[in-house]
Amino acid sequence: DVKVTQSSRYLVKRTGEKVFLECVQDMDHENMFWYRQDPGLGLRLIYFSYDVKMKEKGDIPEGYSVSREKKERFSLILESASTNQTSMYLCASSLAGYSGYTFGSGTRLTVV
Amino acid sequence: DQQVKQNSPSLSVQEGRISILNCDYTNSMFDYFLWYKKYPAEGPTFLISISSIKDKNEDGRFTVFLNKSAKHLSLHIVPSQPGDSAVYFCAASAEGSNYKLTFGKGTLLTVNP
Repeated sequence: DVKVTQSSRYLVKRTGEKVFLECVQDMDHENMFWYRQDPGLGLRLIYFSYDVKMKEKGDIPEGYSVSREKKERFSLILESASTNQTSMYLCASSLAGYSGYTFGSGTRLTVV
Repeated sequence: DQQVKQNSPSLSVQEGRISILNCDYTNSMFDYFLWYKKYPAEGPTFLISISSIKDKNEDGRFTVFLNKSAKHLSLHIVPSQPGDSAVYFCAASAEGSNYKLTFGKGTLLTVNP
């Protein structure tokens, strides 16, 4: 089975901190994605990448950046964490040419 | 502009009955549709999908119906079980979109014993 691993299940950070969320997949998937899930808003795409060192903005990229130096790893960076970035963050990956995603278990980030 | 809409935030059904979850979309370029199930504190898991060349796809207790003219799809769960209680997300993708999925806001299904 494809496995997508997010480094932390729960994280508490202070306002203004730089935060790194790590995601690793083990099935050689080309595409990787970062979403956030908020009550009443569903899943919203932050950034995605379809190749190493390639990245594209999703629907809500403001306040975030990403890094994909290796195919299996996709990092989400909160440059200066704010309380409105408190959310559940979900990483996903997929094969090129296949639309189905495999999601990680999520990281519940609280910014205080 | 919300391209994938799940207008019912929640649905409650009795165990053994049918659950019907609905989804509407506005983008006529969408050609592949999926349903995901999500339990609290876990990532979504893939449930079932359908291509726009079909109008029905069945997998065990789960059936997805697609009505392209109405831009509507639905997920039927028969019979519903308490373990089906979760948030269900409808998602869609368009060819040429780098296989980016657009999700609806989700419907919380509660199956009562």
